[in-house]
Amino acid sequence: GESVGLHLPTLSVQEGDNSIINCAYSNSASDYFIWYKQESGKGPQFIIDIRSNMDKRQGQRVTVLLNKTVKHLSLQIAATQPGDSAVYFCAENGGSQGNLIFGKGTKLSVKP
Amino acid sequence: GAGVSQSPSNKVTEKGKDVELRCDPISGHTALYWYRQSLGQGLEFLIYFQGNSAPDKSGLPSDRFSAERTGGSVSTLTIQRTQQEDSAVYLCASTPRGRDRRYFGPGTRLTVL
Repeated sequence: GESVGLHLPTLSVQEGDNSIINCAYSNSASDYFIWYKQESGKGPQFIIDIRSNMDKRQGQRVTVLLNKTVKHLSLQIAATQPGDSAVYFCAENGGSQGNLIFGKGTKLSVKP
Repeated sequence: GAGVSQSPSNKVTEKGKDVELRCDPISGHTALYWYRQSLGQGLEFLIYFQGNSAPDKSGLPSDRFSAERTGGSVSTLTIQRTQQEDSAVYLCASTPRGRDRRYFGPGTRLTVL
């Protein structure tokens, strides 16, 4: 069946270091992927998305990499800050526009 | 502009009572979604409204759960005869027509005693 999972449930990094959060997906029909950040007590907040016709997309301090060969998605955060501490979710659309399947999330903790 | 709003932000109820959770999507967004998030878990899809089409109810966990969307805007999620396992954060999201990105509200934290 379809599944979106994360390699690491928790990640602890030093302030200023780069963070990499990984995500595996199983549905080869997925052509849209998205990352959300969820701070405690808040709803998920959009970070960045990517379509399957791209391998890489950059935002402000964030980069998403897509490897369709091994069905792997990663989120890179440059110069991680304490405000980046949150749970990060990846999601895929399973090839169906309007559909999003969310992973369980990775908790990122930034040590000052 | 205004984002997705949800009310109440917190709801404590007794087992067996009915509850109603409200979602005001972003104006002009045609799609509206309800998700459930249990403590430390990911997002569980519940129901999806798209324009005037029949809603996709495939994620509703039981017939105690129902949702309406009036006038293509505000939505209400109703849980009848609440059970302790219904305790969770209920998140609403909306999406513009033809787009995939969800815009989430802050959620309603439901606690069933």
